[in-house]
Amino acid sequence: GDSVTQMEGPVTLSEEAFLTINCTYTATGYPSLFWYVQYPGEGLQLLLKATKADDKGSNKGFEATYRKETTSFHLEKGSVQVSDSAVYFCALRDRRGRRALTFGSGTRLQVQP
Amino acid sequence: NAGVTQTPKFQVLKTGQSMTLQCAQDMNHEYMSWYRQDPGMGLRLIHYSVGAGITDQGEVPNGYNVSRSTTEDFPLRLLSAAPSQTSVYFCASSQGSTNEKLFFGSGTQLSVL
Repeated sequence: GDSVTQMEGPVTLSEEAFLTINCTYTATGYPSLFWYVQYPGEGLQLLLKATKADDKGSNKGFEATYRKETTSFHLEKGSVQVSDSAVYFCALRDRRGRRALTFGSGTRLQVQP
Repeated sequence: NAGVTQTPKFQVLKTGQSMTLQCAQDMNHEYMSWYRQDPGMGLRLIHYSVGAGITDQGEVPNGYNVSRSTTEDFPLRLLSAAPSQTSVYFCASSQGSTNEKLFFGSGTQLSVL
């Protein structure tokens, strides 16, 4: 079945550091890929998405590129802020007709001033 | 707009008790779903609905019931609570058939003693 694997956390960075959170997936065909973010005490929010190979999703300074050859969708940001501290979830939606998303286990990011 | 509203935010149950977690959305979304979030396991789909009167099982449906009598509401029922159901529960909705963007409620933290 479909699966998403994320790097273990927590990831602790200083403000203005470069961020990479790794995400790889297993799926049949060409799924749509997503990053969701969960701030403390809140539900998840869509951060960015990509629907086909080589697409780059971007939002709020975050970027991720759909790499079919490596089945990856790594999240990057050039300069993190304390306000980026949250849990980040990688997810996929397959194209076989099911509407459900398959989520990774989440990666906690802690940014220190 | 209220978006997706979940109640209660916190609940403690004894083993064997029953309860209903409420979920309502005011965006006229046809798709609604329930996830549970457990440490190290990400979000897992419990049940989902593609419209009023239509429900289906997700990845972990055992011990839970749902119904969808209106577009707005999608309650989750625990018939006989077990300690294994201690978790954080999220309701989510989306517009249309692609389910490309989920809107999440703020969650219900449930403890079963």
